[in-house]
Amino acid sequence: SAVISQKPSRDICQRGTSLTIQCQVDSQVTMMFWYRQQPGQSLTLIATANQGSEATYESGFVIDKFPISRPNLTFSTLTVSNMSPEDSSIYLCSVDRDRNTEAFFGQGTRLTVV
Amino acid sequence: AQTVTQSQPEMSVQEAETVTLSCTYDTSESNYYLFWYKQPPSRQMILVIRQEAYKQQNATENRFSVNFQKAAKSFSLKISDSQLGDTAMYFCAFRNDQGGKLIFGQGTELSVKP
Repeated sequence: SAVISQKPSRDICQRGTSLTIQCQVDSQVTMMFWYRQQPGQSLTLIATANQGSEATYESGFVIDKFPISRPNLTFSTLTVSNMSPEDSSIYLCSVDRDRNTEAFFGQGTRLTVV
Repeated sequence: AQTVTQSQPEMSVQEAETVTLSCTYDTSESNYYLFWYKQPPSRQMILVIRQEAYKQQNATENRFSVNFQKAAKSFSLKISDSQLGDTAMYFCAFRNDQGGKLIFGQGTELSVKP
């Protein structure tokens, strides 16, 4: 298994500001993923965080809005920039140990933008 | 592109009874992985069970079992002897055999009633 620490667990932010979410894993992993879960909805992948290179974004998500860092194999950050109420969601970090295992998730960050 | 469909937004079951959650998916790949995740109100995504597409035998984990019909692209979850702690949102998910992102269904909210 993998132990993932995600911070903050929740936050209430003013529109127009930015929030950075941290994801720390207890061991090195190749792939880290950031998902968004809008209220009452399923999980949608924002991007794959690659160590040593730029993140790979899914359709509908852009780097200017969701910049991601991956400085090493155990840590990543997701920033939600210039927030609006529509960004109110749960953001989850996820990792794979290898392609033959399940994905492990952090506890999620509940973001409310007012 | 792969898609995952859960056609039951909500279900309820009496404690100690059995319930089956449905999931269908669409893919052109022959090798892949299927998962059921549970998300209680705590937001933590918890793996319930996984199935490798190349295995004909249905996966089981204690009270949880799947009915995997590869030709029909169906992957249902059966929960036996339901317990109050099974109350949660359940997500069906697909991943190809290269690893990487999970594609989630819309979720089924399960309520176990005493």
